[in-house]
Amino acid sequence: DQQVKQNSPSLSVQEGRISILNCDYTNSMFDYFLWYKKYPAEGPTFLISISSIKDKNEDGRFTVFLNKSAKHLSLHIVPSQPGDSAVYFCAAYSGAGSYQLTFGKGTKLSVIP
Amino acid sequence: KAGVTQTPRYLIKTRGQQVTLSCSPISGHRSVSWYQQTPGQGLQFLFEYFSETQRNKGNFPGRFSGRQFSNSRSEMNVSTLELGDSALYLCASRVARKETQYFGPGTRLLVL
Repeated sequence: DQQVKQNSPSLSVQEGRISILNCDYTNSMFDYFLWYKKYPAEGPTFLISISSIKDKNEDGRFTVFLNKSAKHLSLHIVPSQPGDSAVYFCAAYSGAGSYQLTFGKGTKLSVIP
Repeated sequence: KAGVTQTPRYLIKTRGQQVTLSCSPISGHRSVSWYQQTPGQGLQFLFEYFSETQRNKGNFPGRFSGRQFSNSRSEMNVSTLELGDSALYLCASRVARKETQYFGPGTRLLVL
């Protein structure tokens, strides 16, 4: 039973445009969410996170939106750059002192120059 | 500050053997977690150690074990290797009471 779902395995976006990566979750106990970027042969790199008490968090070109009622979050990258081409993972904590991350399967983003 | 380091980076073993992987967390990070990444199952949590104590364990058989030393370095061990244990094993560290985990480059294990 997949508790964190990234339904788009891949996404192609033109350089300079907005990239929107989506993530849905089923576990209502999740209270903290993170996005990671991963290049081949490297470990995941932390991008941005959001607590369930917020609905938006921004850091430079990256913005994460959280819709708790829909159990949905999205990562916006504006403007997209070729160096953003990577696999993006959505991950969640269920709180209560547990730091076990539950990951989605990832979305491969390709930014076309 | 140096990042999370993992050794070795690549490993080839045969079925039935055992393997030990090592992880050195970022300086000052006392929590170390281990994850397994496979094409079929994605990234799955193995266990977390904090101050030499296992805090949490994922849904993996007892062949998978770990430990943490007083300097926060961690090792994970897989005994009686199976073909399905072929995977990228990732270690992540974090500061106490902070949520962000920082990952190492991983150890690629191939079981023949």
